[in-house]
Amino acid sequence: DTVLTQSPALAVSPGERVSISCRASEGVNSYMHWYQQKPGQQPKLLIYKASNLASGVPARFSGSGSGTDFTLTIDPVEADDTATYFCQQSWNDPYTFGAGTKLELK
Amino acid sequence: QVKLLQSGAALVKPGASVKMSCKASGYTFTDYWVSWVKQSHGKSLEWIGEIYPNSGATNFNEKFKGKATLTVDKSTSTAYMELSRLTSEDSAIYYCTLMYTTDYFDYWGQGVMVTVSS
Repeated sequence: DTVLTQSPALAVSPGERVSISCRASEGVNSYMHWYQQKPGQQPKLLIYKASNLASGVPARFSGSGSGTDFTLTIDPVEADDTATYFCQQSWNDPYTFGAGTKLELK
Repeated sequence: QVKLLQSGAALVKPGASVKMSCKASGYTFTDYWVSWVKQSHGKSLEWIGEIYPNSGATNFNEKFKGKATLTVDKSTSTAYMELSRLTSEDSAIYYCTLMYTTDYFDYWGQGVMVTVSS
């Protein structure tokens, strides 16, 4: 299976820029997607196919990367962005998710 | 608008089975793959498998073959997942999710919490 590695946690101040990384154990082309999950809620799609903003998602969120290295960037970070962020690939079978990066605000 | 409404929480005994539902609305149910995803407490997400309602075709994560059974009722636009021979490792939140635009999960149900306990 394709293992997706994310850093476990980050802490930033409101107004700052934050980058969350996701590294795949094998190439996934551009088929990397990002989700935001707040406590008690289902995941919500933020970015699809590496760099495309999902409908209704603020332009503060952006994605980049291809192959094995991907980044989700939030600029500027707002208090409401406190959540866990998951990457997910759909290039290789089975679909897999990263362990999630918990974003906390200082 | 697209909605996925899942059944309520379940408390089940070890060794038993549980069947949960996911009622879809706002789109043509038979035209899109419905997936199921497991989230163990405080942990990440695991893709269990998917079903294509039009034909009933399924694909599974090898890890969940023999554990999960996926079915649909086209007359009510409802997808089902049954988990068998439950153990404490099956205690988790289970989501149904939809690849409406293909390749990624753009719609999610609210989740079903399953607790396996005697």
